Amino acid sequence: GAVVSQHPSRVICKSGTSVKIECRSLDFQATTMFWYRQFPKQSLMLMATSNEGSKATYEQGVEKDKFLINHASLTLSTLTVTSAHPEDSSFYICSPKRTDTQYFGPGTRLTVL
Amino acid sequence: GIQVEQSPPDLILQEGANSTLRCNFSDSVNNLQWFHQNPWGQLINLFYIPSGTKQNGRLSATTVATERYSLLYISSSQTTDSGVYFCAVDESNMLTFGGGTRLMVKP
Repeated sequence: GAVVSQHPSRVICKSGTSVKIECRSLDFQATTMFWYRQFPKQSLMLMATSNEGSKATYEQGVEKDKFLINHASLTLSTLTVTSAHPEDSSFYICSPKRTDTQYFGPGTRLTVL
Repeated sequence: GIQVEQSPPDLILQEGANSTLRCNFSDSVNNLQWFHQNPWGQLINLFYIPSGTKQNGRLSATTVATERYSLLYISSSQTTDSGVYFCAVDESNMLTFGGGTRLMVKP
């Protein structure tokens, strides 16, 4: 159990375009979703926390208008990187939570040219 | 917020060697987890260990909550153990990650 998928696994885009990343919990319902960002050779940094049906809470330094999070259902959350720039290139990992346990998606590697 | 520090940051082992990875944290926590991040980026949970000792094959972990540290032991290391090891603490219903230990096991 506790299977988490992310799509796409890898994306390359031009500067100025928007990219949507989907995260699905395939066999459980997640009331809370965490989104992390990981730069090369660094740790996971929490970007935002969202609960189903409510607005996301963003960590300090993360622009809410740039990183749009939608958690419309208990099995699907999306992260949209708007007007992406090269400095947004990173590895994005979703983490749905069920009761007391956080699970992790396989990640999406974003490269902005 | 809580601070989580891991040591060493980098470690190179010869296959078959043993190693100990350390995780220090600055405040009381509800839970502590150890993860292995494989070369493709997937995080694999190794242990939930808020206190005490657990073992799983060649891996074991010990958390001394009163002294705010946890240790991950890897015995008879194999090349497939290579990757990054993270500890993460649950302070307020979300995980905060340490900086990681990057392990390379050479054949």
